[in-house]
Amino acid sequence: AQTVTQSQPEMSVQEAETVTLSCTYDTSESDYYLFWYKQPPSRQMILVIRQEAYKQQNATENRFSVNFQKAAKSFSLKISDSQLGDAAMYFCAYRVDGATNKLIFGTGTLLAVQP
Amino acid sequence: DTAVSQTPKYLVTQMGNDKSIKCEQNLGHDTMYWYKQDSKKFLKIMFSYNNKELIINETVPNRFSPKSPDKAHLNLHINSLELGDSAVYFCASNSGGWNEQFFGPGTRLTVL
Repeated sequence: AQTVTQSQPEMSVQEAETVTLSCTYDTSESDYYLFWYKQPPSRQMILVIRQEAYKQQNATENRFSVNFQKAAKSFSLKISDSQLGDAAMYFCAYRVDGATNKLIFGTGTLLAVQP
Repeated sequence: DTAVSQTPKYLVTQMGNDKSIKCEQNLGHDTMYWYKQDSKKFLKIMFSYNNKELIINETVPNRFSPKSPDKAHLNLHINSLELGDSAVYFCASNSGGWNEQFFGPGTRLTVL
């Protein structure tokens, strides 16, 4: 069974600094997607970034980028120039096969941004 | 403008009651989902429908019954509510394949 592990329950970063959130996963599949979702206090789930497993190039979305290491089954999220609005719970998620597309989530990392 | 909407946003009820949560999406997606987020913020899939057909049922107690009257709607009915059912329930949808899932705002259910 596929699993997703986020080993950092909480992280803190100073405004304008860079922070990296860790995620590892376990799967025997070769084709899959990985996602980072942000959940602010409003509880809305917001997609931050996604990575296709077949792509070697790491995905980037403005200040957000990933370090995808397929062999190590690692998918970390780097937030550059952190802003107060980045404070939220961050979930790593794995997308199972294309028939059902269900997401398997990690336990989340609560990110605090200090002014 | 709302892509995925849920009603109600908050629901407080007594143990033993029966309640429903409604979800609607105006994105034209074929697939809809229910996820449960527990008190520790852990999110887990419960059900999924594709074009009104149930395709995922993740060992959820049969007190929970999803219903999809059409592909734009997926409702969740819960019978005989228990304290452990207290959680935030999220509806989501996507257009199939590898496309992004869009989430609703969530319904916070509190069972007293």
